[in-house]
Amino acid sequence: EVQLVESGGNLVQPGGSLRLSCAASGFTFTNYAMSWVRQAPGKGLEWVSGIRGSGGGTDYADSVKGRFTISRDNSKNTLYLQMSSLRAEDTAVYYCAKGLGPHWFDPWGQGTLVTVSS
Amino acid sequence: QSVLTQPPSVSGAPGQRITISCTGSSSNIGAGYDVNWYQQLPGTAPKLLIYGYSSRPSGVPDRFSGSRSGTSVSLLAITGLQAEDEADYYCQSYDSSLSGSVFGGGTKLTVL
Repeated sequence: EVQLVESGGNLVQPGGSLRLSCAASGFTFTNYAMSWVRQAPGKGLEWVSGIRGSGGGTDYADSVKGRFTISRDNSKNTLYLQMSSLRAEDTAVYYCAKGLGPHWFDPWGQGTLVTVSS
Repeated sequence: QSVLTQPPSVSGAPGQRITISCTGSSSNIGAGYDVNWYQQLPGTAPKLLIYGYSSRPSGVPDRFSGSRSGTSVSLLAITGLQAEDEADYYCQSYDSSLSGSVFGGGTKLTVL
């Protein structure tokens, strides 16, 4: 069974940093692109960033470019999102998902909550 | 505003058929990129419902169907509405101008 489990969400002050992790199992992690998608409280879904399989090419939404860095450790089957210069508007549940545009996202993890507040 | 436009809400009685539209532009749906649909039940993560406009993943009932309507519009149809279909539904595609995936704003389905 394909499973994605996020961790690392927390309360952080504006301007602070945080690293999210997503542990993958049930598929050959190296072969698949992965993405982070977020959902602010009561709002819709927003694609944040994606990374290709073994090659590791990355893409970012304009809203996080220059502040967030996506990476992966294929030896540990783990996806990361390093977030810095955090703003209140980054407050959201962050989901990791298997896939990257122009393809679909499936499956999704359960999400981890990041709250940016003083 | 979202790049893809969906109606904020739709409703229907049990057993009825509803459709949800997803309208894009020449840089996403109109450029030929696939549209995918997700169902998000209250308090849970999104789940893939339809991919590649009209394909259903294993386990998704055939009451759910997707189609293309015109150049830049995709439709999600749900027939035989059931109470458990009450959820938020999102469309997703790829935008060449933004070089990334884009989502619709979501549609809340209420089963009356």
